[in-house]
Amino acid sequence: AQKITQTQPGMFVQEKEAVTLDCTYDTSDQSYGLFWYKQPSSGEMIFLIYQGSYDEQNATEGRYSLNFQKARKSANLVISASQLGDSAMYFCAMRDTGGFKTIFGAGTRLFVKA
Amino acid sequence: GAVVSQHPSWVICKSGTSVKIECRSLDFQATTMFWYRQFPKQSLMLMATSNEGSKATYEQGVEKDKFLINHASLTLSTLTVTSAHPEDSSFYICSASGGRGIPIYQETQYFGPGTRLLVL
Repeated sequence: AQKITQTQPGMFVQEKEAVTLDCTYDTSDQSYGLFWYKQPSSGEMIFLIYQGSYDEQNATEGRYSLNFQKARKSANLVISASQLGDSAMYFCAMRDTGGFKTIFGAGTRLFVKA
Repeated sequence: GAVVSQHPSWVICKSGTSVKIECRSLDFQATTMFWYRQFPKQSLMLMATSNEGSKATYEQGVEKDKFLINHASLTLSTLTVTSAHPEDSSFYICSASGGRGIPIYQETQYFGPGTRLLVL
């Protein structure tokens, strides 16, 4: 069965510093996609970044980058130059290509300190 | 691009009434829509998956007769909570994927803003 594990319930980071949010996954599929979403207190789920299992390069989107280590089955999110507005809940998710389900991790709450 | 709306954003109702929540993909056609439920400080729990024109696929433990899902078109899915009770109070959020019409990731789910339901 597929599984997403986020071991950090909460993280603190100083404004303007970088932070890494951990995510490990388990799947027997060869083809899958990995996602990160941000959920601020308003509740909406904001798509941040996507990494395909066959992508050779790590995905980057502005201040977000995904540190994809396929052999270790990890897909950590790196946020550079943290901003106060980055304070939110962050979910790692996985979907098998061709399937219809996406499974989510338990989430990591990030607090950015001024 | 890839905007999903959800209506209403807030609903308060009396126990025993039915509540309908709409989920629309505004700028793309979504072949698949998903409905999630989220309790405070918890992750998203998938309730059901719906494809346009076909019956929804419900997750284990989700009552089909309680949570009616209709995916009438490639841009609209509705969730009806029938005979709502206080234990149905929650945050319901939909997502859409498999979009056609704009260059978006095909596998990515794009979420609506969610609906907070409070049953008194």
